[in-house]
Amino acid sequence: EIVMTQSPATLSVSPGERATLSCRASQSVSINLAWYQQKPGQAPRLLIYGASARAAGIPARFSGSGSGTEFTLTISSLQSEDFAVYYCQQYNNWPPRITFGPGTKVDIK
Amino acid sequence: EVQLVESGGTLIQPGGSLRLSCAASGFSVSSNYMSWVRQAPGKGLEWVSVIYAGGSTYYADSVRGRFTISRDIPKSAVNLQMNSLRAEDTAVYYCARGIDNGDYAMAFNIWGQGTMVTVSS
Repeated sequence: EIVMTQSPATLSVSPGERATLSCRASQSVSINLAWYQQKPGQAPRLLIYGASARAAGIPARFSGSGSGTEFTLTISSLQSEDFAVYYCQQYNNWPPRITFGPGTKVDIK
Repeated sequence: EVQLVESGGTLIQPGGSLRLSCAASGFSVSSNYMSWVRQAPGKGLEWVSVIYAGGSTYYADSVRGRFTISRDIPKSAVNLQMNSLRAEDTAVYYCARGIDNGDYAMAFNIWGQGTMVTVSS
């Protein structure tokens, strides 16, 4: 099983500041990596897929980068609605053994 | 409008069986990869199972042999039959659809609102 780790566990950021979230895979997943945002009581929302492609309707302040085992989600200027938990997910296996990271909580500093 | 609506979650005793259903609208479940993802209370996301457009099915190790995914094409639904339930199966169960049937089939851009399953005596 590919194990996903995320850092930091919690990130305290002021509105308007830049946030950088990291995700690491225990073995290469190429660019088969997605990022999700989840707010309390809501289903996850896809932000990024293919490591760097923004999903439909996602603001340009969200960007993804990386390949292989190291990935980054950057939020260029945090808005109040961006405070949430962010998960990375790999979908590289065959047969499918999708795994998620433990999440990074972005809260207000 | 493309939408997923789950149902069937409830409180059930350990060892029991339960069937969850996911009603799809705005698209055909026979033409898309459909997955179940769960989230235990206060915990992260865990992928459970997928049914491919062609009908192939796959499971997480934690549920293989106990859970069965299927689809009812006339009803435009995807089901998850859960047997031999354990306390650790307690979670919100989400139905999700991939972006496409190719490279991004397992990147989920459509999610239901979830249904809660509680396994407890």
